[in-house]
Amino acid sequence: AQTVTQSQPEMSVQEAETVTLSCTYDTSENNYYLFWYKQPPSRQMILVIRQEAYKQQNATENRFSVNFQKAAKSFSLKISDSQLGDTAMYFCAFMNLLSNFGNEKLTFGTGTRLTIIP
Amino acid sequence: KAGVTQTPRYLIKTRGQQVTLSCSPISGHRSVSWYQQTPGQGLQFLFEYFSETQRNKGNFPGRFSGRQFSNSRSEMNVSTLELGDSALYLCASSLGGLTDTQYFGPGTRLTVL
Repeated sequence: AQTVTQSQPEMSVQEAETVTLSCTYDTSENNYYLFWYKQPPSRQMILVIRQEAYKQQNATENRFSVNFQKAAKSFSLKISDSQLGDTAMYFCAFMNLLSNFGNEKLTFGTGTRLTIIP
Repeated sequence: KAGVTQTPRYLIKTRGQQVTLSCSPISGHRSVSWYQQTPGQGLQFLFEYFSETQRNKGNFPGRFSGRQFSNSRSEMNVSTLELGDSALYLCASSLGGLTDTQYFGPGTRLTVL
């Protein structure tokens, strides 16, 4: 069974600083996707960034980038020049790719509550 | 383009009752997935529907069921409610499935008394 571990329940940083959220996962599969989702207070969850396991290049989306270490099964999220609007719960998620449908699912970590301090 | 909508937003039920939650996906999206979010268990995948067929299923008992209509709208049903079913139920839609970007709705907050 796949598991996703986020070891930092809460983090806080000053505005404009850089912060890294950690995520590790456990799987015996070779083909999978990894995601970071953001859930702002009282607002809908949105995708921050995604990474396909077969791609060696780390994904980036503006101020958001990942450090994907496939051998170590690590998928950390770096937020540069943090802004007040980055305050949210961040979930790391894993999606396995199987040859047959039926058992594919998104597995989420427990989340990291990030607070950006003005 | 309108986002994912869920109705009702809040619901209070008693043990033993059943409940139906509704999710309207973004226009053009054919995949709808459902999730349960609780403080203790976090976010857990319930199931995914694509073109009116359940395509993937998580590890929930048979009391949790769903369906999808030809317009991609989806309903989730929970029968014989238990106290532990109290949770925020989220649905998400996407173009092709779980590997695509999931667009989440605001959720339905279910309280079981």
